[in-house]
Amino acid sequence: DAGVIQSPRHEVTEMGQEVTLRCKPISGHNSLFWYRQTMMRGLELLIYFNNNVPIDDSGMPEDRFSAKMPNASFSTLKIQPSEPRDSAVYFCASSLNPGGGQDTQYFGPGTRLTVL
Amino acid sequence: AQSVTQLGSHVSVSEGALVLLRCNYSSSVPPYLFWYVQYPNQGLQLLLKYTTGATLVKGINGFEAEFKKSETSFHLTKPSAHMSDAAEYFCAVSEGGGGNKLTFGTGTQLKVEL
Repeated sequence: DAGVIQSPRHEVTEMGQEVTLRCKPISGHNSLFWYRQTMMRGLELLIYFNNNVPIDDSGMPEDRFSAKMPNASFSTLKIQPSEPRDSAVYFCASSLNPGGGQDTQYFGPGTRLTVL
Repeated sequence: AQSVTQLGSHVSVSEGALVLLRCNYSSSVPPYLFWYVQYPNQGLQLLLKYTTGATLVKGINGFEAEFKKSETSFHLTKPSAHMSDAAEYFCAVSEGGGGNKLTFGTGTQLKVEL
């Protein structure tokens, strides 16, 4: 299995620009999670989907952030407009059989975002 | 609401020495508990998890953890540290109640010295 695939691996952009991060979950998994990791705040859950439906987006910082999952094999996290404080590593994770809370989450390699 | 506390943001051990990384949790429902490891410039990967049954859980790379309900703890141990164990370790608790949202601790950076 190829694992969770994220692109790009690195992104450098200027303040005000739109940024789109992409994620392909493991085939057959039906839960998808977006996390943000920074030195100051650690690992934060931004949003998660079950069966392509957003379940909890309480971690999304503000309206500048949006996430979509148009089908079971693809999700995007968009930041528009980007700000320097959005600089972080963004992880996507997927799991099989949501519900019960026992499921292992499989993480992608992350996208390192730098906003100048 | 669930929460996780990891005591010690940095732990240093000698190669061959015991590794002990501490995790205490707070949960209003029977918890599911996880330890994940993150190597430099990589995503997190599961070391082990406790769901039900035996309270001593064995994971990959010789790690194990014991769920102690009375102490609300889930400490991670390894009898003999290896240089390759140097990484950041995260304890996490599931929200339970049918949901699969994880709450992570702040992480412990493990350094292994010769």
